[in-house]
Amino acid sequence: GQNIDQPTEMTATEGAIVQINCTYQTSGFNGLFWYQQHAGEAPTFLSYNVLDGLEEKGRFSSFLSRSKGYSYLLLKELQMKDSASYLCAVRDPPDGATNKLIFGTGTLLAVQP
Amino acid sequence: ETGVTQTPRHLVMGMTNKKSLKCEQHLGHNAMYWYKQSAKKPLELMFVYSLEERVENNSVPSRFSPECPNSSHLFLHLHTLQPEDSALYLCASSQGRGAEQYFGPGTRLTVT
Repeated sequence: GQNIDQPTEMTATEGAIVQINCTYQTSGFNGLFWYQQHAGEAPTFLSYNVLDGLEEKGRFSSFLSRSKGYSYLLLKELQMKDSASYLCAVRDPPDGATNKLIFGTGTLLAVQP
Repeated sequence: ETGVTQTPRHLVMGMTNKKSLKCEQHLGHNAMYWYKQSAKKPLELMFVYSLEERVENNSVPSRFSPECPNSSHLFLHLHTLQPEDSALYLCASSQGRGAEQYFGPGTRLTVT
C-alpha cells in the first residue's frame, strides 16, 4: 500500500528552529516534495529531493534518506508567517510523463511569539 | 493573470444542481490535475490530463466529469452531488519529469 506519515500538529517559538518529519512506504519512488499551505490558500512548492542528502534554500532545508524512507523539513529563524500546514508528497510511479503525487495529511505548524 | 487560476472561489449547490469548476494555467505546462482536499485527510488525486488526454482517473464517482479542451484549460463538471462531496477542489499544473506542481487557489464547494 501507499502510506505517508507526518505529525498532525507542531508548535514552535518565533526565532527558533523546527524539524518536521515525514516517513513513507510507497510502491515506487522518484522524488519527494514539500509544500506549504496557509489556511484557505493554495499549496506552494518549497523543496524537492530525489537523491539522499540535504538541500538548502534560505531558511528552509530538506533532507532525504531513501534507504530509510525518511525525510524532514527544517525551518530556521522561525517567523510568525511560517504558521501553516506543511505537506509531504512522494512522486510515484518512478517513470511516466506526469507527476503522480501521493500526499501525507500535512503537519499544522503554529509559531508562537 | 499569472500562475493557475480557478473560478469560482466559493460554490454552494444543492444535490440536484449541475455546476462546473474552471481552471486555467498561464504557465505553458502540459499536464493538469484535479485534487480534492477534505478536512483532516490527505490531498486526493482525482484526475490527471497530459497533453489534453486523460491519463488517470482514481476511481472517482461518475457524478464528477472532467474536461480538458486544451492544454491551458481544465473543467470539472458536477451533477447530483452528495453532501460528503463538500471539500476544497484544487487544480494544479506541471511541466516535465521531476518538476513541481503549481496549484490554483481552489474552489470551496458546499453541497446542501
